[in-house]
Amino acid sequence: DAKTTQPPSMDCAEGRAANLPCNHSTISGNEYVYWYRQIHSQGPQYIIHGLKNNETNEMASLIITEDRKSSTLILPHATLRDTAVYYCIVRPNANDYKLSFGAGTTVTVRA
Amino acid sequence: ETGVTQSPTHLIKTRGQQVTLRCSSQSGHNTVSWYQQALGQGPQFIFQYYREEENGRGNFPPRFSGLQFPNYSSELNVNALELDDSALYLCASCHRGQGYYGYTFGSGTRLTVV
Repeated sequence: DAKTTQPPSMDCAEGRAANLPCNHSTISGNEYVYWYRQIHSQGPQYIIHGLKNNETNEMASLIITEDRKSSTLILPHATLRDTAVYYCIVRPNANDYKLSFGAGTTVTVRA
Repeated sequence: ETGVTQSPTHLIKTRGQQVTLRCSSQSGHNTVSWYQQALGQGPQFIFQYYREEENGRGNFPPRFSGLQFPNYSSELNVNALELDDSALYLCASCHRGQGYYGYTFGSGTRLTVV
């Protein structure tokens, strides 16, 4: 699996957009970018994934650069409940590949 | 609602003992994975089971073993517990979405070895 690099922490004001960067410069052609988050005392929760096109769902948007070496997760209107550790993971899109979690980014949303 | 249930939620064991953790995954999810999460770190992959067979393993010693049953529930067994085994143990079932494989995690079992 390709290695990812994320900032260790970031703060965000409630109601504002939170932009979480992730570098994955060694990503290969068959690897997707997945984002999970882990709220305190819970298991990780799937947010979104993408290959090369930008993606949006009810939780977030994912912007992947044209060279696929980096991506940004956007939480459009952060709430206090979005305070969590966010993990960027790259992996092939198959069910027999593990999720390789790094340290993630601890996002704190402040009122 | 997560759809993946783990038991017990908390457990205290003594060094050298054995422990069994349990996971009930969503109906129809035939792949289950186990992860260990030490305090302040991201989850680390232990192993994965597909249709009752282990089909992937992380860097964990043989005293970590598992089982998957015909109803796709699963167990994680750890023998000869060590203090460093203290962690949150997470179970995840794999599901097929529209063009992706997603993992639904349980809330975990917090194991403390004293």
